Amino acid sequence: GQNIDQPTEMTATEGAIVQINCTYQTSGFNGLFWYQQHAGEAPTFLSYNVLDGLEEKGRFSSFLSRSKGYSYLLLKELQMKDSASYLCAVRDWGGGNKLTFGTGTQLKVEL
Amino acid sequence: KAGVTQTPRYLIKTRGQQVTLSCSPISGHRSVSWYQQTPGQGLQFLFEYFSETQRNKGNFPGRFSGRQFSNSRSEMNVSTLELGDSALYLCASSLGGEQGGELFFGEGSRLTVL
Repeated sequence: GQNIDQPTEMTATEGAIVQINCTYQTSGFNGLFWYQQHAGEAPTFLSYNVLDGLEEKGRFSSFLSRSKGYSYLLLKELQMKDSASYLCAVRDWGGGNKLTFGTGTQLKVEL
Repeated sequence: KAGVTQTPRYLIKTRGQQVTLSCSPISGHRSVSWYQQTPGQGLQFLFEYFSETQRNKGNFPGRFSGRQFSNSRSEMNVSTLELGDSALYLCASSLGGEQGGELFFGEGSRLTVL
């Protein structure tokens, strides 16, 4: 099976940078996703990593190390609207679109 | 283009009843996945349909079932409802294929079982 760990809560200041870590254990890794979910809303796609390294998309970047079973999501120039839950999810080979999600990291951005 | 549409958005049922939820994927998407989200368990995979065939199934009892139609629209059914079935049910669509691809989620159907 799979096991995904990420911190439950984080707090950061507007304008700052925050890094949300995710560690995973899986039998046949085939990609890691990051989603953002505001309260009462659907998860929205942020990033997808399948190879080692950093993927940058505007204020958001995601890093993957397959050998370490580790990923992080980096949010720069934090804004109040970034307050949300950030979900890490892993897909296995042969799993189609079966994603295993972590329980999410609730990020609170303060003034 | 239109996103993933789920109906109904909210519903209340009593124990023992059954419920059917509907999902219309993004036009051109052939894969539809269903997830259950609860505060305690987070997002958990129910099943995935691709080209009208169930491609994957999660660890849920047989009371949870689904199907996909030729136009890629999908329905899921929960029979003999239990209190613990109260949750947000999310549908996600993607182009599909071996790599899967990015998943786009609908707004969800919030089910309350009394």
